Amino acid sequence: DAKTTQPNSMESNEEEPVHLPCNHSTISGTDYIHWYRQLPSQGPEYVIHGLTSNVNNRMASLAIAEDRKSSTLILHRATLRDAAVYYCILKNSGSARQLTFGSGTQLTVLP
Amino acid sequence: ETGVTQTPRHLVMGMTNKKSLKCEQHLGHNAMYWYKQSAKKPLELMFVYSLEERVENNSVPSRFSPECPNSSHLFLHLHTLQPEDSALYLCASSQDFAGGYYGYTFGSGTRLTVV
Repeated sequence: DAKTTQPNSMESNEEEPVHLPCNHSTISGTDYIHWYRQLPSQGPEYVIHGLTSNVNNRMASLAIAEDRKSSTLILHRATLRDAAVYYCILKNSGSARQLTFGSGTQLTVLP
Repeated sequence: ETGVTQTPRHLVMGMTNKKSLKCEQHLGHNAMYWYKQSAKKPLELMFVYSLEERVENNSVPSRFSPECPNSSHLFLHLHTLQPEDSALYLCASSQDFAGGYYGYTFGSGTRLTVV
């Protein structure tokens, strides 16, 4: 399976943008890039996903490098409620292999 | 509420007890999953059901027994557990179990403590 590498932790100030990086140098052409986050004492929550083009939704933006070997999840204005563990996951469209979670990035938002 | 409901939220059980965890979704999804999250460890996939048939079992001990009576309900039956089985058990569902396009919807989990 193609793997992802994320920093263990990051800090951000409230109301400032946050850029969460993810490296996936062995990504295949049919791997989708998924982002989930897990707030304390809750299950993971879907954030966004993409294949090649940048994606935007109400929660975040996903910027995908042209060679697809890295991506960045962008929270445009961090709030205290965005403090969570963020997971970057590759999911192959051509197989039945399931979502495999790594350790993610613990985001701390400072007031 | 995410659309996936897990009960109970918390469970304390002795090693000789038998209990069941319940998961329910009314999202019209065809695939359901059980994950285990131990303290300071990544989520581990336990079981996958697609259209009520088990399609994956990731070497889970037989003291965990899943049941999927229909596409909306998933159970995890527990018996003679060990203290190291204490963890957060998460249920998830997705439109389909294959393909990269669909996201997963997770429940809030059941916090299990085995004493």
